[in-house]
Amino acid sequence: AQSVSQHNHHVILSEAASLELGCNYSYGGTVNLFWYVQYPGQHLQLLLKYFSGDPLVKGIKGFEAEFIKSKFSFNLRKPSVQWSDTAEYFCAVNRDDKIIFGKGTRLHILP
Amino acid sequence: DTEVTQTPKHLVMGMTNKKSLKCEQHMGHRAMYWYKQKAKKPPELMFVYSYEKLSINESVPSRFSPECPNSSLLNLHLHALQPEDSALYLCASSLEAVTSYEQYFGPGTRLTVT
Repeated sequence: AQSVSQHNHHVILSEAASLELGCNYSYGGTVNLFWYVQYPGQHLQLLLKYFSGDPLVKGIKGFEAEFIKSKFSFNLRKPSVQWSDTAEYFCAVNRDDKIIFGKGTRLHILP
Repeated sequence: DTEVTQTPKHLVMGMTNKKSLKCEQHMGHRAMYWYKQKAKKPPELMFVYSYEKLSINESVPSRFSPECPNSSLLNLHLHALQPEDSALYLCASSLEAVTSYEQYFGPGTRLTVT
């Protein structure tokens, strides 16, 4: 079945640690890829997106993601996390005019 | 203005009630969406409106009835809901209902069905 998989359901890190959240999708052909973030009590916000071009995309708040077509992956990275990065992170694929979300990764940063 | 607004923020309704959720955007977007999000789960698409016409219905039960009165407004009419329909209902919009445009989400309406 076509899907979006996020490998880590719950990640706990200390401040200043590096972050990498995995995302794989199983759709063939052209896809548009997103990472959304949902801070506690807030609405979904777009962190970054990949449509075409440079596979390394930079988003807000120091986040970046790399699209690796051969691996069907779109992993999210941040070199040094902050306590304020505590949130739920969703990888998503936009295909056939629909956004399909992964199950999400709950990130908890220890101060 | 890059905001999608939703009212009410919270709604508690009985199984025999009729209520409506409202969503509004003034970004000139021509596509609007309803999603349902259960606790600790990702949003699930319910409906897509493109140019004020329903283009996608993800097999949603008829007790949920969407309406798009104009390009800025999207309503979700609720009738005879079940307790399992309790969830966060999210509205989103995008410039067009095609894959190349990102969606902007509202804060949601937290619905409790008693």
